Amino acid sequence: EVQLVESGGGLGQPGGSLRLSCAASGFTFSNYFMNWVRQAPGKGLEWVSYISSSTSNIYYADSVKGRFTISRDNAKNSLYLQMNSLRDEDTAVYYCARGTGASYSYYYMDVWGKGTTVTVSS
Amino acid sequence: QSVLTQPPSASGTPGQRVTISCSGSSSNIGINTVNWYQQLPGTGPKLLIYSNNQRPSGVPDRFSGSKSGTSASLAISGLQSEDEADYYCAAWDDSLNGVIFGGGTKLTVL
Repeated sequence: EVQLVESGGGLGQPGGSLRLSCAASGFTFSNYFMNWVRQAPGKGLEWVSYISSSTSNIYYADSVKGRFTISRDNAKNSLYLQMNSLRDEDTAVYYCARGTGASYSYYYMDVWGKGTTVTVSS
Repeated sequence: QSVLTQPPSASGTPGQRVTISCSGSSSNIGINTVNWYQQLPGTGPKLLIYSNNQRPSGVPDRFSGSKSGTSASLAISGLQSEDEADYYCAAWDDSLNGVIFGGGTKLTVL
């Protein structure tokens, strides 16, 4: 069964750090692009970051650029999100999502995890 | 503020056909394909439509998508109570170098 399981969420302090992980199983992780998408309480979906299969291309939403770092370990079938300089507005459920498509024009996210909750508060 | 514009709400009665619109621009929908995601209450998102009008395996053919210019639409025919959910459109944006989502449409089955 194709599966993504996020972990690492919890309570973080403003200005502090958290590291999220996403464990992939049931597919060849190294062949796929990966993403982080978040959803603030009662709000819509917001794409956070993208990483290509070989890590040669990495993109961030403006709201997290310079503060968050996406990475992956293909040998461990794992995706990560290092979150620094946390702000109240980073409070959200963070989803790991598998990406696919022949090019960016045809890009979509076909498998999603259940999410991990990050709360930023003093 | 979302770059893709969706109506915040939509509704219909069982058996009806409803449509949800999604408006973008030349840097996203105008040149890239549109995808739709369904989020049932209390769950994570699920891919519903990809590449404008393709259904993943397991998605009923009651769901269909279309695109014209810088706009797209999701149609749901034969509305059922289990279709009550939030629906999001999304596309790659060449100016932002990333994925953009619509603000979401909450569908209520009356």
